[in-house]
Amino acid sequence: RKEVEQDPGPFNVPEGATVAFNCTYSNSASQSFFWYRQDCRKEPKLLMSVYSSGNEDGRFTAQLNRASQYISLLIRDSKLSDSATYLCVVPHGSSNTGKLIFGQGTTLQVKP
Amino acid sequence: EAGVAQSPRYKIIEKRQSVAFWCNPISGHATLYWYQQILGQGPKLLIQFQNNGVVDDSQLPKDRFSAERLKGVDSTLKIQPAKLEDSAVYLCASSPYYKNTEAFFGQGTRLTVV
Repeated sequence: RKEVEQDPGPFNVPEGATVAFNCTYSNSASQSFFWYRQDCRKEPKLLMSVYSSGNEDGRFTAQLNRASQYISLLIRDSKLSDSATYLCVVPHGSSNTGKLIFGQGTTLQVKP
Repeated sequence: EAGVAQSPRYKIIEKRQSVAFWCNPISGHATLYWYQQILGQGPKLLIQFQNNGVVDDSQLPKDRFSAERLKGVDSTLKIQPAKLEDSAVYLCASSPYYKNTEAFFGQGTRLTVV
């Protein structure tokens, strides 16, 4: 099993739709989690951090389920500008190095 | 605040040639990462430095890849000799701490091996 798994998509949704992505991780010792956004041919940038059960920032909500070892990202009222790849990131929980493990990424295309 | 600086932005080389990439992290950031991102995949960690020491290089192909961060600030990543499968974007990132913290990425170096 991969350390971090995501459905690569693509998810094609109309403007205004609500879309959710899931990410599963294998290391139960991981404590914090991140969602990064990566635009085409650009570097990844932090979208949200998740340290407890969840986090909300405007149209974006991240939720953590430790028992089932998955993190979700919910985007409400999708905008054209939300089109990007969303990367789930899990620090390697059992090490003291802070090694950040990236998922494959989920591609979102928001259509007019 | 200046971000992570990388150079060059693009590089095209023939297989079996050598190439080097340079990274200058955000000032004061102790942790520096080099990631390899192949098209359609997520970034894969090659090596992680804490100041000038290596804390993880488990996925670095050491027969051809090397990296150093001699003074605990900027870093170089070298490939010698390059293979076709090394074509990727090489991303440098830095963090102020070593654990449970976000990483800030540079724009990357896009390497094409022909």
